[in-house]
Amino acid sequence: DTEVTQTPKHLVMGMTNKKSLKCEQHMGHRAMYWYKQKAKKPPELMFVYSYEKLSINESVPSRFSPECPNSSLLNLHLHALQPEDSALYLCASSQGGTGKHKAFFGQGTRLTVV
Amino acid sequence: GQQVMQIPQYQHVQEGEDFTTYCNSSTTLSNIQWYKQRPGGHPVFLIQLVKSGEVKKQKRLTFQFGEAKKNSSLHITATQTTDVGTYFCAGPYTNAGKSTFGDGTTLTVKP
Repeated sequence: DTEVTQTPKHLVMGMTNKKSLKCEQHMGHRAMYWYKQKAKKPPELMFVYSYEKLSINESVPSRFSPECPNSSLLNLHLHALQPEDSALYLCASSQGGTGKHKAFFGQGTRLTVV
Repeated sequence: GQQVMQIPQYQHVQEGEDFTTYCNSSTTLSNIQWYKQRPGGHPVFLIQLVKSGEVKKQKRLTFQFGEAKKNSSLHITATQTTDVGTYFCAGPYTNAGKSTFGDGTTLTVKP
């Protein structure tokens, strides 16, 4: 199984809502990532978890809250988002968390904040 | 900090023509990766280069890493419509955790 599975695929939420994005991998990878990608832009790293511990937080606003319940799962909790947070949110995993290992990306969650 | 610049931003070619995208870093890279993202899709890993002067081939795709490990290129010979998408290079994270995806080159192929 070389897949990273993300749910939901699409999400529309109001600015007062709380929602969560989910990501799962069963490749035994010890690093998992959240990226944000705006249209016609490269993926922008948000968080890196290495061995279930948060190792990198790219100065992301606190309205985004990551969680790694175990080595296979990664969540991104969303609260009080702004319309400019609308984007494709990509989860990825790799053997290590330094950018020196092949990363597998999920299909992404296309988020619209209204 | 480490930055990876990628050019051109867009390339439109006729099917059968060649295509090249270039990546340049302000600092020496320990490795560089290349990804392809189809329209509406997600990035898919293509290759990783580690050694100075390294050249790797995948069918019609040729990847190079510069001698100084500050630049890299991806060359596609005789493009096909299946090659359309955006090609990103990506360097490793710095100690500060900075991610280093290039801005990408979007390739369109006219049949």
